[in-house]
Amino acid sequence: EVHLLESGGGFVQRGGSLRLSCAASGFTFNNYAMSWVRQAPGKGLEWVSGVISSGTGSTDYADSVKGRFTISRDNSKNALYLQMNSLRAEDTAIYYCAKDSFNWNVGYFDSWGQGTLVNVSS
Amino acid sequence: QSALTQPASVSGSPGQTITISCTGTSSDVGAYNFVSWYQQHPGKAPKLMIYEVTNRPSGVSYRFSGSKSGKTASLTISGLQAEDEADYYCSTYTSSNTLVFGGGTKVAVL
Repeated sequence: EVHLLESGGGFVQRGGSLRLSCAASGFTFNNYAMSWVRQAPGKGLEWVSGVISSGTGSTDYADSVKGRFTISRDNSKNALYLQMNSLRAEDTAIYYCAKDSFNWNVGYFDSWGQGTLVNVSS
Repeated sequence: QSALTQPASVSGSPGQTITISCTGTSSDVGAYNFVSWYQQHPGKAPKLMIYEVTNRPSGVSYRFSGSKSGKTASLTISGLQAEDEADYYCSTYTSSNTLVFGGGTKVAVL
């Protein structure tokens, strides 16, 4: 059974940084692309960033976080990360780790974590 | 990247059929058959219901079906049941190598 467990969320001041982690198990991690998807309180889903499965680790970002967030993965540890810098109030959201169904960022997320809350205060 | 356009809410009585639309542009929905749909109950993580426009993952009820015409994709729920009451989101790959979600549709079972 696939299991994704996010950690690292919490309260941070505007302009600060946080690093989210996602521990994956139950599948061959290095065969699949992974993404972060967020959901602001009472709002809809927003794709944040994705990283493909292969050695190049090609990454993509939403315009709203480009230049501030960095996604990475460690296939030896079955782990996904999101380094978030220059945080803004509008980054406040639940951040979900999501497994794609393919080895590239096609966006068919067949497994999700329970999410970790990031709260950016001013 | 603008969010795909979905109706804010759709409702129906038990047993009825409802359809949720998802409108994009020639750079996303209209360009690729990479549309997916998610169901989200309150306080829960989303669940993949449809991928590649029409395909259902294992375990998803046959009552859920997807289609696409031009820049608009659709999710149809037939034989509406109380457990179908949830938020539904469409999503697609874009020509910018990014992914975009719709704004979400709240389905109410009357």
